[in-house]
Amino acid sequence: EPEVTQTPSHQVTQMGQEVILRCVPISNHLYFYWYRQILGQKVEFLVSFYNNEISEKSEIFDDQFSVERPDGSNFTLKIRSTKLEDSAMYFCASKRGLANTGELFFGEGSRLTVL
Amino acid sequence: DAKTTQPNSMESNEEEPVHLPCNHSTISGTDYIHWYRQLPSQGPEYVIHGLTSNVNNRMASLAIAEDRKSSTLILHRATLRDAAVYYCILRDVRDDKIIFGKGTRLHILP
Repeated sequence: EPEVTQTPSHQVTQMGQEVILRCVPISNHLYFYWYRQILGQKVEFLVSFYNNEISEKSEIFDDQFSVERPDGSNFTLKIRSTKLEDSAMYFCASKRGLANTGELFFGEGSRLTVL
Repeated sequence: DAKTTQPNSMESNEEEPVHLPCNHSTISGTDYIHWYRQLPSQGPEYVIHGLTSNVNNRMASLAIAEDRKSSTLILHRATLRDAAVYYCILRDVRDDKIIFGKGTRLHILP
């Protein structure tokens, strides 16, 4: 069964360093998302991406964050200068088509620890 | 986003049916009712969705009240693997993202 894959599974970084989290969405999917979950809290929407541009972003997704789909298969989340409060589980998701009732398929997540 | 209310936690015995309630009294005509779940240490996983009629799939059933102000996710025969946080989410037909609440943490007792 096709699945969303994320790398790395766990990354430890120093505060102020740049981090790139990578995702390979399901191959025929058109919509891509990043969510995060701080330990013990709810899953929070960060950004949605369609047709090579951001379609929507939350207040959390400030100038420190960026996304891109550099080669038609990977979908990356970059955090330019990490802060302690960026420590969280980051989930990538993808959706096949235009129907907004379509299910989102989530990866298993990348755990980011900022020291 | 329209609000849903779910119990914080529920318990059920293994191999018995589980009924997970959700209230959404402010639902609008363009809101679909979605359920996702999150198993321990995993990403969220789609379970089922519906608009007005009851829905069944291989994972669960969704019973929607006639006035659509509440719904119930039914797991017909719970297994230990069904222990997870279950999220009831209203998603406007014009919205391509989903917004998670706190959900219900379901504990399955062997």
